[in-house]
Amino acid sequence: QVQLQESGPGLVKPSQTLSLTCTVSGGSISNGGQYWSWIRQHSGKSLEWIGYAYYSGNTYSNPSLKSRVTISVDTSKNQFSLSLSSVTAADTAVYYCARHMVLTSLFDSWGQGTLVTVSS
Amino acid sequence: DIQMTQSPFSLSASVGDSVTITCRASQNIDSYVNWYQQKPGKAPKVLINGASSLQAGVPSRFSGSGSGTDFTLTISSLQPEDFATYHCQQSYITPHTFGGGTTVEIK
Repeated sequence: QVQLQESGPGLVKPSQTLSLTCTVSGGSISNGGQYWSWIRQHSGKSLEWIGYAYYSGNTYSNPSLKSRVTISVDTSKNQFSLSLSSVTAADTAVYYCARHMVLTSLFDSWGQGTLVTVSS
Repeated sequence: DIQMTQSPFSLSASVGDSVTITCRASQNIDSYVNWYQQKPGKAPKVLINGASSLQAGVPSRFSGSGSGTDFTLTISSLQPEDFATYHCQQSYITPHTFGGGTTVEIK
């Protein structure tokens, strides 16, 4: 059973870059058929897909965030990362990393989530 | 982007009740809908994929139906552990989008 764990600063200043890492255990990030994803949830209920990356390095991002988002994969560490630039208070949210399975088109495994607050 | 409109926003029900949550897509998405359950402070957990396929280990009191633009999640005979927030999600095309969530509360 694959497990995911987010890590990174819980507080980021406005205009700076939010950086998070997700460590994958119990499975290889280099296995095909899976995308490594970032999803966030604001203090309301709704979830927002940020984007995902394949182990080969191909990435896909939500157009609403695309110009600010970078997702990368480090197969040697079995990790993937999110960078979100020029953050504002609107980027304050719980950030989840998750595995997206190509075959079922499903986010089937999730990290526990990490709260990132944007504030000076 | 495909908009997923979920209703109701919240509902109150008692143990043993049957409840239905609906999700409407802004365009035809065939059967590419997944349902997740989320408890406070926890990550979402998959219940159903492909509109009606129950994930392994999910109790049979959960069921999903629909195709095209209209989808439903039904919980028959609510149990105490079912009080949570439920999300629909379309996987037809990127960007993946979620409904606004429905919170099922204890009456």
